[in-house]
Amino acid sequence: DAMVIQNPRYQVTQFGKPVTLSCSQTLNHNVMYWYQQKSSQAPKLLFHYYDKDFNNEADTPDNFQSRRPNTSFCFLDIRSPGLGDAAMYLCATSGGLAVYNEQFFGPGTRLTVL
Amino acid sequence: AQSVTQLDSQVPVFEEAPVELRCNYSSSVSVYLFWYVQYPNQGLQLLLKYLSGSTLVKGINGFEAEFNKSQTSFHLRKPSVHISDTAEYFCAVSGSRQGAQKLVFGQGTRLTINP
Repeated sequence: DAMVIQNPRYQVTQFGKPVTLSCSQTLNHNVMYWYQQKSSQAPKLLFHYYDKDFNNEADTPDNFQSRRPNTSFCFLDIRSPGLGDAAMYLCATSGGLAVYNEQFFGPGTRLTVL
Repeated sequence: AQSVTQLDSQVPVFEEAPVELRCNYSSSVSVYLFWYVQYPNQGLQLLLKYLSGSTLVKGINGFEAEFNKSQTSFHLRKPSVHISDTAEYFCAVSGSRQGAQKLVFGQGTRLTINP
């Protein structure tokens, strides 16, 4: 089945130690998104790629970076994680940017910062 | 700018009872409305969406929602719930038909089904 895969499902890191979260997709979608979802809160968009074009949300901290080496993979890099970065990180894809393109979500990676 | 308010953070209901999860939105432009479900430790799954046309939208798993422009609401309903419907439900709005599809989510409603 075509799907969005996130690895690892659970990640533990230390305060200030860089961490990378991975997302891959078999849907061949142009657009990939990264969301941050803190406990009992709504998902919040961090950034998205349309093909290789990177689009950062205005309020996304500089501590968060992303890479998309090819259509299938997208990475979220947190350069110096703080305690406040502990959250579920959701990757999503869509076939285009128009509003009728459904976003397909991965299962998420739960990040713990010690 | 768009915003979404989900009026209930938690809704407990008994199995086979009807349920309504409330969602109100605010937008100064055309709106496109969505309901997503999130089962424990999983990503979000689209239940249904309103883009245009009929104001009554039917989705998966027996859910439906009605777009009410005058009341700026998009409430989700199911006539008879099952234990398997226990999950977090998110209402979302997008105000842009062209360009990036930016979803603004509500805070979520936790639906708990009791036997």
